Amino acid sequence: ETGVTQTPRHLVMGMTNKKSLKCEQHLGHNAMYWYKQSAKKPLELMFVYNFKEQTENNSVPSRFSPECPNSSHLFLHLHTLQPEDSALYLCASSLISGDSYEQYFGPGTRLTVT
Amino acid sequence: DQQVKQNSPSLSVQEGRISILNCDYTNSMFDYFLWYKKYPAEGPTFLISISSIKDKNEDGRFTVFLNKSAKHLSLHIVPSQPGDSAVYFCAASEGAGSYQLTFGKGTKLSVIP
Repeated sequence: ETGVTQTPRHLVMGMTNKKSLKCEQHLGHNAMYWYKQSAKKPLELMFVYNFKEQTENNSVPSRFSPECPNSSHLFLHLHTLQPEDSALYLCASSLISGDSYEQYFGPGTRLTVT
Repeated sequence: DQQVKQNSPSLSVQEGRISILNCDYTNSMFDYFLWYKKYPAEGPTFLISISSIKDKNEDGRFTVFLNKSAKHLSLHIVPSQPGDSAVYFCAASEGAGSYQLTFGKGTKLSVIP
């Protein structure tokens, strides 16, 4: 596997379910990100992990819980979600160094909350 | 308040002609700008970037122009090809150790054969 992978690609869950999204990067990067993309809205940054430490949490509700066990893996644990949480969830990674700001994205998980 | 704006939701261009995608920003602290391309059912793919110390960066058919005084950047694709049909996102970073990107809403480019 190369690049950034995400599983599952599609997920349908009820409001009382608990599920997790997984992201893995094979690029040797040291920062990982979760974004949410809703229809007709810009990508919204949710969480940033830099060297496994969470450095940003952009006012995300507690029903979203990230976990970064190492610099290659990132999880987003979901529980008691609302229908408005239905969106495309994208994981990205980057190499924190000097003036490099490019982030590399996975294919995303299309989440539907019923 | 949107700090990165792509005011054209869509653009149609004939194959072989030039595509010009525009992006405006309001945050004067932004000093690094990127363009991403996104196909349906895929994540955004990094295309080209430019630092605020430059006003132009070129990579093959893709050129990004930056006008700092106008807080405006544009992506030129020439010649346009049908495979360029995708959604293009403009993104910006404040740099100086801030690795967060702020994205625009995107412009859907359709290149007509």
